[in-house]
Amino acid sequence: SQELEQSPQSLIVQEGKNLTINCTSSKTLYGLYWYKQKYGEGLIFLMMLQKGGEEKSHEKITAKLDEKKQQSSLHITASQPSHAGIYLCGARGGSQGNLIFGKGTKLSVKP
Amino acid sequence: DAGVTQSPTHLIKTRGQQVTLRCSPKSGHDTVSWYQQALGQGPQFIFQYYEEEERQRGNFPDRFSGHQFPNYSSELNVNALLLGDSALYLCASSPDRVGTQYFGPGTRLLVL
Repeated sequence: SQELEQSPQSLIVQEGKNLTINCTSSKTLYGLYWYKQKYGEGLIFLMMLQKGGEEKSHEKITAKLDEKKQQSSLHITASQPSHAGIYLCGARGGSQGNLIFGKGTKLSVKP
Repeated sequence: DAGVTQSPTHLIKTRGQQVTLRCSPKSGHDTVSWYQQALGQGPQFIFQYYEEEERQRGNFPDRFSGHQFPNYSSELNVNALLLGDSALYLCASSPDRVGTQYFGPGTRLLVL
């Protein structure tokens, strides 16, 4: 079965610093989703990548899917306290509708 | 445009009891998926409903059952609750079975 490994597990950065979160899949990715979760709350959809080499940006967050389609990275530029939360990557379980998630990366931003 | 809504927000039950959680999908979405998220873990897929039928199921016992109504809203039922069922239960809706899933705020279930 497919597994997603996220690194690092947690991250503390000073406000204004850049950071990168990685998501590595045990199998080829057919659609990679990034979500953000505030503690104990629902997941907020950030972006979805489908093609190898694809890159998408939303405000100060950029996500990339590598050519071999087994890894994705999420980069935040000039972090702000509002970026704090848990970032989760999710992938389709094959052709089915279910999503498989990594364990998440907990981001704290110190003002 | 209302997003995905879930009720109740919090629930406390004792072992052996039964619980029903409810979800209303985002407007225009006809597919509902349910996930269980234990503390410190990513969400685990329970099942997906489309056209009022369970279309796909994750690795959960049949104590977990569901239903989808004609208006696309859905219920998750858990029988014979165990301590290990304590978790955040998330509902997600999508415009079709493989479309982007949008999540509700979750229901926090505590089993004592």
